Amino acid sequence: EVQLVESGGGLVQPGRSLRLSCVVSGFTFGNYAMYWVRQAPGKGLEWVSGISWNSDTIGYADSVKGRFTISRDNTENSLFLQMHSLRAEDTALYYCAKVGDPGSYYYTPIESWGQGTLVTVSS
Amino acid sequence: DIQLTQSPSFLSASVGDRVTITCRASQGINSYLAWYQQRPGKAPKLLIYGASTLQSGVPSRFSGSGSGTEFTLTISSLQPGDLATYYCQQLHSYPRTFGQGTKVEIK
Repeated sequence: EVQLVESGGGLVQPGRSLRLSCVVSGFTFGNYAMYWVRQAPGKGLEWVSGISWNSDTIGYADSVKGRFTISRDNTENSLFLQMHSLRAEDTALYYCAKVGDPGSYYYTPIESWGQGTLVTVSS
Repeated sequence: DIQLTQSPSFLSASVGDRVTITCRASQGINSYLAWYQQRPGKAPKLLIYGASTLQSGVPSRFSGSGSGTEFTLTISSLQPGDLATYYCQQLHSYPRTFGQGTKVEIK
């Protein structure tokens, strides 16, 4: 069974940093591109960042570019999101997500989602 | 960036009704579109990809169609468990974008 378990969320002041982690099991992590997707309270889904299976290709939403950094450790089956200069508008539930096709960063949907970790940015 | 516009934003229908949700893209995306269902308090779930391919395990009452800039998700006979918000997502280019969602209520 595919499992994705996020952690690292919490309450943080504006301007501070936070690092999210996602530990996965039930599939060969190193074969799949991964995403972070967020959902502000009562709002829709927003793709935040993506990373290819080998970390060669990385992308960010304009809203987080220059502030967030995605990374992965295939030996530890882990995905990370380092978030700096946090703003109130970054408050959201952050989902770790696995794409459907092994080896592909393109044209493939999100096949599995974690349950999310809540980040609240407030003074 | 590719913008996706869903309509309607909200719909209320009875059990057994046929329901259709539309997703329009700001530019052509071939058939690179997915649909997700998000039940209240839950993570999203993949329903359809490639505009019309049903994900394994998804009931056949769900179907998708379209290509280019206009797409539809149809529920042929609405069931109580279909109470959810439905999102389209384009798979054509980065940054990936989602539609704003369509909330489906059961009358």
